[in-house]
Amino acid sequence: RKEVEQDPGPFNVPEGATVAFNCTYSNSASQSFFWYRQDCRKEPKLLMSVYSSGNEDGRFTAQLNRASQYISLLIRDSKLSDSATYLCLTTGNQFYFGTGTSLTVIP
Amino acid sequence: EAGVAQSPRYKIIEKRQSVAFWCNPISGHATLYWYQQILGQGPKLLIQFQNNGVVDDSQLPKDRFSAERLKGVDSTLKIQPAKLEDSAVYLCASSRNGGRETQYFGPGTRLLVL
Repeated sequence: RKEVEQDPGPFNVPEGATVAFNCTYSNSASQSFFWYRQDCRKEPKLLMSVYSSGNEDGRFTAQLNRASQYISLLIRDSKLSDSATYLCLTTGNQFYFGTGTSLTVIP
Repeated sequence: EAGVAQSPRYKIIEKRQSVAFWCNPISGHATLYWYQQILGQGPKLLIQFQNNGVVDDSQLPKDRFSAERLKGVDSTLKIQPAKLEDSAVYLCASSRNGGRETQYFGPGTRLLVL
């Protein structure tokens, strides 16, 4: 079983739509959680950290569910520029990225 | 503030050859990471340094991969000998002090092994 699992998609959504991704992790000792964004042929860049109480940054909302061992990312009012691959990262004693979820926002 | 620098950006070699990648982290960042990203997958951590010491190299194929960060600043990752399955992007990242700190990635080195 993989340490971190994500639905690879692709998710194709129209502009203005709301879309949500989940990321499940197997290690209950994982301590910190992040969402990264990776554009085609580019390096990953931090989108947001995920806090226990959930956090919001503009159109983006991240949630953590420790009991069920998953994190989620909600994007509201999708823009064309949101098209990218979204990677989750869990850290603790070791660091694990998910395989990424591909999002394409369609005009 | 300058970002994470990596070189070369691209490398093509034949199997069984050797190759080395270089990374210079953001100034003042104590933690340096090397990741391997195979096409269609997420980055896989190969090795993590804290200053010049190794924190985690559990996923580094030590029979062919080696890495060093002798002075606690820049780092070199070497593959010797390379195999076809080593074709990937090798990403270097740094953070102020590991743990929950944000990791900043360099542009990566794209390796193709023929």
